Amino acid sequence: DAGVIQSPRHEVTEMGQEVTLRCKPISGHNSLFWYRQTMMRGLELLIYFNNNVPIDDSGMPEDRFSAKMPNASFSTLKIQPSEPRDSAVYFCASRPLQGRTEAFFGQGTRLTVV
Amino acid sequence: SQQGEEDPQALSIQEGENATMNCSYKTSINNLQWYRQNSGRGLVHLILIRSNEREKHSGRLRVTLDTSKKSSSLLITASRAADTASYFCATDARDNFNKFYFGSGTKLNVKP
Repeated sequence: DAGVIQSPRHEVTEMGQEVTLRCKPISGHNSLFWYRQTMMRGLELLIYFNNNVPIDDSGMPEDRFSAKMPNASFSTLKIQPSEPRDSAVYFCASRPLQGRTEAFFGQGTRLTVV
Repeated sequence: SQQGEEDPQALSIQEGENATMNCSYKTSINNLQWYRQNSGRGLVHLILIRSNEREKHSGRLRVTLDTSKKSSSLLITASRAADTASYFCATDARDNFNKFYFGSGTKLNVKP
C-alpha cells in the first residue's frame, strides 16, 4: 500500500480564495482524521470520521472550514474563504476503527495564504 | 493543546546520552501512543502502551504510563544524531468514538 496520500503537497493562494485539500486513506482503514499543525498551536484535531461519517468537528475553527468524506477512499478539507491565519501544515491520518491501533499519517499539505 | 502538555518543549543532548520526555494528558484513555516527526514530514508511530500496562520496551525506547497521574514518559537510550526530531504523545480516549489527540511535542536535538 502507498500509505496515506495527500494532495497537493504545497499550496499558495491569495486571501479570499477557496482551498481544497485532499486525502486518500489506506485501504481498509475506516477512521480518518484531519489535523492542523502550527508553531503556535501545535497539532490540532480538526475533525474525524468513522465509516465515512463525521463524528466530531468541534475542532474546526470556523464556518469557513468544512470537510467531507463521500466514500471510504477519499476525503476533502475545504476552506472558503481562506485567510492568512489559515497558513499551516494540514495532515490527514487514517487507522482501523477496530483495535485502536496506530495512526498512519500522510506527508501533509503546506498551505500558505498571502 | 487539546490534549495536554509535554515537557520539556526542547531538549538538547550529546550523542550517547539518554533522552527523557514527559507527557501529561487530561482524559481517561484506552491507550497512549508516541510518535516521531522529522522536520517537514508526517508523523511516524513509535510505540503504543495500553491503559492496563505500566511499562513497555521497543529497541532503545522505553515507555512508562501512570494512569493515576495521567502521565507518560518516553526514554530513548544511547541516543544518536539520527534521533533528532520532534516527539509527540497521543491519547486514544476511553470512549466509543475514537477521538485521538496529540500533545504539544518535545523537540529533541542530539549533537554528534
